[in-house]
Amino acid sequence: QSALTQPASVSGSPGQSITISCTGTSSDVGTYNLVSWYQHHPGKAPKLMIFEGSKRPSGVSNRFSGSKSDNTASLTISGLQAEDEADYFCCSYAGSSTLVFGGGTKLTVL
Amino acid sequence: QVQLQESGPGLVKPSQTLSLTCTVSGGSISSSGYYWSWIRQHPGKGLEWIGYIYYSGSTYYNPSLKSRVTISVDTSKNQFSLKLSSVTAADTAVYYCARRGVVAATFDYWGQGTLVTVSS
Repeated sequence: QSALTQPASVSGSPGQSITISCTGTSSDVGTYNLVSWYQHHPGKAPKLMIFEGSKRPSGVSNRFSGSKSDNTASLTISGLQAEDEADYFCCSYAGSSTLVFGGGTKLTVL
Repeated sequence: QVQLQESGPGLVKPSQTLSLTCTVSGGSISSSGYYWSWIRQHPGKGLEWIGYIYYSGSTYYNPSLKSRVTISVDTSKNQFSLKLSSVTAADTAVYYCARRGVVAATFDYWGQGTLVTVSS
């Protein structure tokens, strides 16, 4: 059970769009449409942004969207804002009641 | 609004057992469909799922930690706990408790995390 692969960092200017990838295998991301994304400001509790690959919890801005292609899930943030600067983690169901997280991506808003 | 709060020692000696408790407020730990979870983050690293428990006592653990982990629940206190045995410096991390929602791989409420350092 290996961690999902995310880029260590991404950056964008206010108003731009960025995409964070989360690459797994056919045993997790590729088989199950059960990927979630979390926003984490250091020192605070992580916040659920996307679940089941593309669904947004109530209260999460529609600037955040999720998708999946084969073994890779993606989180897209459009209309970047300064408050979006944070760490982002993906998580996938991996079968047999187990889960796997990604290594995390630091988003910098320039 | 469900809230979770971790508590326990911030320093544990090598070879000893790490023990943490998560207190749930604003909701019942016995609510159907929810699993109560422990997740950790090593310094500068990604998150690692440790395991979760259902209020009935059913447990599910990360295979890589299974031999050292015990998660238990106390419904009367609305708490669940983590014990990690035979710790080493590699177990130094921020430990989070979280609620896994009805949908698998979906953690909808988290604690703020507590740093546990393993050192003599």
